[in-house]
Amino acid sequence: KAGVTQTPRYLIKTRGQQVTLSCSPISGHRSVSWYQQTPGQGLQFLFEYFSETQRNKGNFPGRFSGRQFSNSRSEMNVSTLELGDSALYLCASSRQTITSVTTPNEQFFGPGTRLTVL
Amino acid sequence: QQQVKQSPQSLIVQKGGISIINCAYENTAFDYFPWYQQFPGKGPALLIAIRPDVSEKKEGRFTISFNKSAKQFSLHIMDSQPGDSATYFCAVYGQNFVFGPGTRLSVLP
Repeated sequence: KAGVTQTPRYLIKTRGQQVTLSCSPISGHRSVSWYQQTPGQGLQFLFEYFSETQRNKGNFPGRFSGRQFSNSRSEMNVSTLELGDSALYLCASSRQTITSVTTPNEQFFGPGTRLTVL
Repeated sequence: QQQVKQSPQSLIVQKGGISIINCAYENTAFDYFPWYQQFPGKGPALLIAIRPDVSEKKEGRFTISFNKSAKQFSLHIMDSQPGDSATYFCAVYGQNFVFGPGTRLSVLP
């Protein structure tokens, strides 16, 4: 079974530009969550999409947005890039929403997209 | 933002030794406590997880000890191997996952 794939793996942008990252979940998984990983702040939750709806959102500015398509693939967009947006962006898929009131589903992480903002 | 404190920041252990990583959290509303292992260039992978209704869970060489009253939980890696060298993250789950800052483990051959 193929794992979570993320494209591109590496990206270099300049301040003020915007970027779109893509995530393809494991087949059959309907939830995609996005995380930002930096040496200073660690792993931080951005948002989760389940069945094309945003289910939960972390404490990030509105420049960070996302969407999910009917095939569960998800994209994350960052507009007006800042130097501090340089990070590894990880997506994770799970079979059900992680905000389920019952058992939180195991998340499977992709390898990430390394974004560098110059 | 909920805080999860993790210690030590880095750990060096001899092959065959025991690695112990600790985490502490603030909010009692969490109900799921996983540990993740991350190798360079890879995303985190779930290692082992525990719920607050048990005090210990063991899977192979990995054990989680959970102290609900102290709001602490720890990961024990028995018979540590060089292949265990990685960064380990604890996490707590309430409405979403909050991760600790990570512990870089190096197991010397």
